[in-house]
Amino acid sequence: DVKVTQSSRYLVKRTGEKVFLECVQDMDHENMFWYRQDPGLGLRLIYFSYDVKMKEKGDIPEGYSVSREKKERFSLILESASTNQTSMYLCASRHQQPQHFGDGTRLSIL
Amino acid sequence: GENVEQHPSTLSVQEGDSAVIKCTYSDSASNYFPWYKQELGKGPQLIIDIRSNVGEKKDQRIAVTLNKTAKHFSLHITETQPEDSAVYFCAATLNQAGTALIFGKGTTLSVSS
Repeated sequence: DVKVTQSSRYLVKRTGEKVFLECVQDMDHENMFWYRQDPGLGLRLIYFSYDVKMKEKGDIPEGYSVSREKKERFSLILESASTNQTSMYLCASRHQQPQHFGDGTRLSIL
Repeated sequence: GENVEQHPSTLSVQEGDSAVIKCTYSDSASNYFPWYKQELGKGPQLIIDIRSNVGEKKDQRIAVTLNKTAKHFSLHITETQPEDSAVYFCAATLNQAGTALIFGKGTTLSVSS
């Protein structure tokens, strides 16, 4: 079975902090994705990566950056956290379809 | 870019009834349409998918239909059970390297016994 692991289930940070969300997959997938999930808005794509050191902006990249130094790990970075970034963050990976998701990180910015 | 609309946002049915969730997409180039189920506290899990060269696909109580001309696809769940209660998401994409799924806003399905 594909395993996508997000390092934290819950995280509480303060405004202005630099926040790192980590995601690791164990299936040698080329493609990895970060989404945020908010009530009534569904899953919105923040960034994705189709290879090591490659990244593409999704629909809502503002305020975020990503890092993919190794194939199995894809990090989402909040450069200066703000309260409107309080959300559920979901990581996914795939080789071919389908995409496989982790269980999410619920991030609260106070 | 692709845009996916999903309806209804909430759906309540009695156990044993059928449930139908509908999605429309905007990009006629999209050729892959998965459906995900998300239970409380978990990430979305794929339940069924369909590719554009197929009009219908079934897996036990779950079926998906695709109308490419109208650019819409639907999820059908028959003989619903309480454990079907969850949030369901449809998605669409052009299935090639360097693309991502674009999701609808989700449908909260409640099955009461």
